Amino acid sequence: GQNIDQPTEMTATEGAIVQINCTYQTSGFNGLFWYQQHAGEAPTFLSYNVLDGLEEKGRFSSFLSRSKGYSYLLLKELQMKDSASYLCAAMDSNYQLIWGAGTKLIIKP
Amino acid sequence: ETGVTQTPRHLVMGMTNKKSLKCEQHLGHNAMYWYKQSAKKPLELMFVYSLEERVENNSVPSRFSPECPNSSHLFLHLHTLQPEDSALYLCASSQDPGQVTGELFFGEGSRLTVL
Repeated sequence: GQNIDQPTEMTATEGAIVQINCTYQTSGFNGLFWYQQHAGEAPTFLSYNVLDGLEEKGRFSSFLSRSKGYSYLLLKELQMKDSASYLCAAMDSNYQLIWGAGTKLIIKP
Repeated sequence: ETGVTQTPRHLVMGMTNKKSLKCEQHLGHNAMYWYKQSAKKPLELMFVYSLEERVENNSVPSRFSPECPNSSHLFLHLHTLQPEDSALYLCASSQDPGQVTGELFFGEGSRLTVL
């Protein structure tokens, strides 16, 4: 079957770095997505990886290893506003998005 | 004005009621989606519409009935729901269904409570 695994909850300190991991098993693969969802708000697109390697966008970076079925989202210089849920989703061969349950990130001062 | 708007934001209904959720997108997209989001569970895709034609129906119970009168509007009609249907219902749109980049634009959701 198809499956996405990511930690349920993580805690980090303001100003620090945190890495949120995601492993996936899909029938075929057409890319890996990360979305951010603040409590009570809409999920918003953060990143898309389809080739191996690291994609950097300001304080946020996303990494993909297709051979390992693994991705991570790296958040640097954490700010209180980064407290949110982070959703990992893999696109299968039918261009269907398979979603993880999300990682709730708590930032402490 | 946000790209995707949903109304109502909150809804409480009894098991015998009939209600509807509304979604409107202002992005000129061709595909619209209904997702169910339950606490600590992955997003569940319910329905996909492309150019007003339903292209996906993921074994959703018939008590949920979608309607897409045009490419900007999407409804989810609710009838005889069960308490386990209580969840956040998210509407989303994309330029086209199954596009390679797959970026979805979500509304803020309708929080449904079934008593």
